[in-house]
Order: sequence, then C-alpha cells, then structure tokens
Amino acid sequence: DVKVTQSSRYLVKRTGEKVFLECVQDMDHENMFWYRQDPGLGLRLIYFSYDVKMKEKGDIPEGYSVSREKKERFSLILESASTNQTSMYLCASSLTGVNEKLFFGSGTQLSVL
Amino acid sequence: AQRVTQPEKLLSVFKGAPVELKCNYSYSGSPELFWYVQYSRQRLQLLLRHISRESIKGFTADLNKGETSFHLKKPFAQEEDSAMYYCALSGQTGANNLFFGTGTRLTVIP
Repeated sequence: DVKVTQSSRYLVKRTGEKVFLECVQDMDHENMFWYRQDPGLGLRLIYFSYDVKMKEKGDIPEGYSVSREKKERFSLILESASTNQTSMYLCASSLTGVNEKLFFGSGTQLSVL
Repeated sequence: AQRVTQPEKLLSVFKGAPVELKCNYSYSGSPELFWYVQYSRQRLQLLLRHISRESIKGFTADLNKGETSFHLKKPFAQEEDSAMYYCALSGQTGANNLFFGTGTRLTVIP
C-alpha cells in the first residue's frame, strides 16, 4: 500500500520562525498536495505539485511556499510563522490527480506560540 | 464557484439504525464527488466515489444532479462507523483541487 510519511507528528514553534514540514511518498506518484485542516473549516488546499520543480497555488497559499526537488518529497515552508498558522497540516499524494484516490499522511499538528 | 456543504457538524445514531450524512454541492459543470473518512487515530482515507457506484463497508451514495446532493447512507449503523466524514468535489477530469466540506462527526451509540 502507498505510504505517505510526514516527518513530525507535533511541532511547536515561535512566531517569526521559519518552519519546514516534510512529506515523503514511496509509490512514485506524480501529484502531491498540502492541505490544512481546521475545525469547522474542513480541508483547504495550500499548494500542490504535479511534477518535480512544478507547483501551483491552492486556495490559501499566503504565508506559505513549497519545494519539490525530488519526486518523492514535497516540503511546505512557513517563511515567518504566525499564530494563525496553528493548524493540522496534511500531505497527500496521488498517481494522476484528485480524481484518483488521494493517499494522506498522518498529519503534523503545528502550534505557533 | 465550487462549494460543498455538509449541514450537520455532529450526528448521533443508535447501533442498528439507518444513517444518512448529507452533502450538497454547488458546481456549474459535471462534478466528480467523493466521500473521505477519518477514523480515530487513523489517516484520512477514501471511502467511496460516485463514479465507481460501489458499496464500501455497507455505505452507498447516489449523485442526485437535480437536488445537487451526494448523501452517504447506510441501512444499519455499526459502532465502528463512528468517524469524521468529509464530502469532497472535484470539478473535472484532470482537475487538481478537491474541495472539501466542513465534515460531519458521526457517533454510533451502542
């Protein structure tokens, strides 16, 4: 089965810090996604990538950037963390796009103090 | 614009009772619709999608274009069905964004 691994389950950071969230998938999937999950708001797409070095903005990209230097790894970067970025971050991958099954990581709960 | 509405944040049913989780969507084209589920301490995972017209774990969902709905149903709820359920919509083949509803937490009471 596809494995999507997020490097940290919990992270606590200070306001203004640069934060890296890492995601690795092991099934050679073309597409990778970063969502944030907030109670009452569901999941919202931050960025996605359909190929190495290719990225597209999602619905809420402000304050975030991404990096995809290798096919299996997709990193989410918070350039200067703020308290409103406290959230659960979910990484996902799929073979051909969102109409195929998305495989999710277990999530990173980020707290920005 | 695409939008997915799940009107119930919380839903409780007794074991053995029928369950229906509501999902309504707004989209001008031909939608692709999905149900994702997150059990306690597990990852979010695909439950079913309308294009497959399948039944998974006893759940079914029918796309009603007239009512723009994709309600999830199960005739007899089980305790292991307790979870968070998200309805999601994709606009078209090759689309790269899946629009999620706000989710419904289902609790099945023993």
